Amino acid sequence: GESVGLHLPTLSVQEGDNSIINCAYSNSASDYFIWYKQESGKGPQFIIDIRSNMDKRQGQRVTVLLNKTVKHLSLQIAATQPGDSAVYFCAVDQTGANNLFFGTGTRLTVIP
Amino acid sequence: GAVVSQHPSWVICKSGTSVKIECRSLDFQATTMFWYRQFPKQSLMLMATSNEGSKATYEQGVEKDKFLINHASLTLSTLTVTSAHPEDSSFYICSAHRTPTYEQYFGPGTRLTVT
Repeated sequence: GESVGLHLPTLSVQEGDNSIINCAYSNSASDYFIWYKQESGKGPQFIIDIRSNMDKRQGQRVTVLLNKTVKHLSLQIAATQPGDSAVYFCAVDQTGANNLFFGTGTRLTVIP
Repeated sequence: GAVVSQHPSWVICKSGTSVKIECRSLDFQATTMFWYRQFPKQSLMLMATSNEGSKATYEQGVEKDKFLINHASLTLSTLTVTSAHPEDSSFYICSAHRTPTYEQYFGPGTRLTVT
């Protein structure tokens, strides 16, 4: 089975600071990891993904780090902006199953 | 980009009636679509996997006779909530798997309120 959890349910950061959102998973066979952003009343929006053969991947202002040894995933947002305020979910997919298991979610609030 | 739409975006129905929610992939074909349910301030919970031309696969605890899923074409899956009750009120979200990638693209969700 798979369980996914987030270390902090809420996170408040000052505009311009960097944000770090963490996620833990339990199944060492998990192969594909995705971060989603969900704004109120909307569906999840893909942010960035990473496969288990990598430990870091960068996008525009976002970086995902994967530590398979401790089964930990993090999302780093650089220069956080008010538009980044949302709930962030990590999701884990086991190769072949294509079923996403979502974490609890972290609400990020950016303070102007 | 890959766009997934849902219709309606919100619906209010009376207890005991049935409601159909549509999920469409607008610019790609999706052999597999997924249906999720999300209660307020909670995470998304997978309800079922919908495969084009075959029966849906339901997650444990999801009643297949209550949540009817039809995936008749490569761009359309429907979820029908039959004999709806107030406890079925939730945010229903679909996603479509864009092959050959692993990426799933999510619809905007449908807010169902059963009175």
